[in-house]
Amino acid sequence: NAGVTQTPKFRVLKTGQSMTLLCAQDMNHEYMYWYRQDPGMGLRLIHYSVGEGTTAKGEVPDGYNVSRLKKQNFLLGLESAAPSQTSVYFCASSRQGAYEQYFGPGTRLTVT
Amino acid sequence: AQTVTQSQPEMSVQEAETVTLSCTYDTSESNYYLFWYKQPPSRQMILVIRQEAYKQQNATENRFSVNFQKAAKSFSLKISDSQLGDTAMYFCAFMVGYGGSQGNLIFGKGTKLSVKP
Repeated sequence: NAGVTQTPKFRVLKTGQSMTLLCAQDMNHEYMYWYRQDPGMGLRLIHYSVGEGTTAKGEVPDGYNVSRLKKQNFLLGLESAAPSQTSVYFCASSRQGAYEQYFGPGTRLTVT
Repeated sequence: AQTVTQSQPEMSVQEAETVTLSCTYDTSESNYYLFWYKQPPSRQMILVIRQEAYKQQNATENRFSVNFQKAAKSFSLKISDSQLGDTAMYFCAFMVGYGGSQGNLIFGKGTKLSVKP
């Protein structure tokens, strides 16, 4: 039981490049989330999903897209990376009706 | 809108002593949950303790306990018998309870705790 995993762990992009971050969970959780963490800040919600095929915007969605084609996977896409998207990205999941979120180990993304 | 404020950017404590981290929040909701998360240098987010707003009794988990003052909108974390492994960033977080569906976590900016030998 791996819990929540994220791929990759580190990535460096040039401005304007695109990439996809993959989050996978093996706990059969219905809900999944993407957060970003910037220095001196707590985590902020980018997008979330309450089930396969559904997504919704969080607090800071601009510049990101997401997809949830399979229940166990939640993808975060950057179509045209900007230096302001340099951050640590965390994925989390939770069961419907439970309020504890389980976090992945994070992905450190640097955009130059 | 909900906000979470942690007024202590950094704190330190001697090993085996007790330390209290402060958190205040603002909300007009009546059904909500409060959390403390620990983030060690490994970066992993670890849930330390959870408090349901409808419960009057303060939550405890081994050496960790909270002082939940609902009227004052205060939610402090007490760590007893501090250990070197408690060195980490600690985040207070808030979630509105929506009945059968999920609210979203709102985090404070964190308190960096250093436990000194």
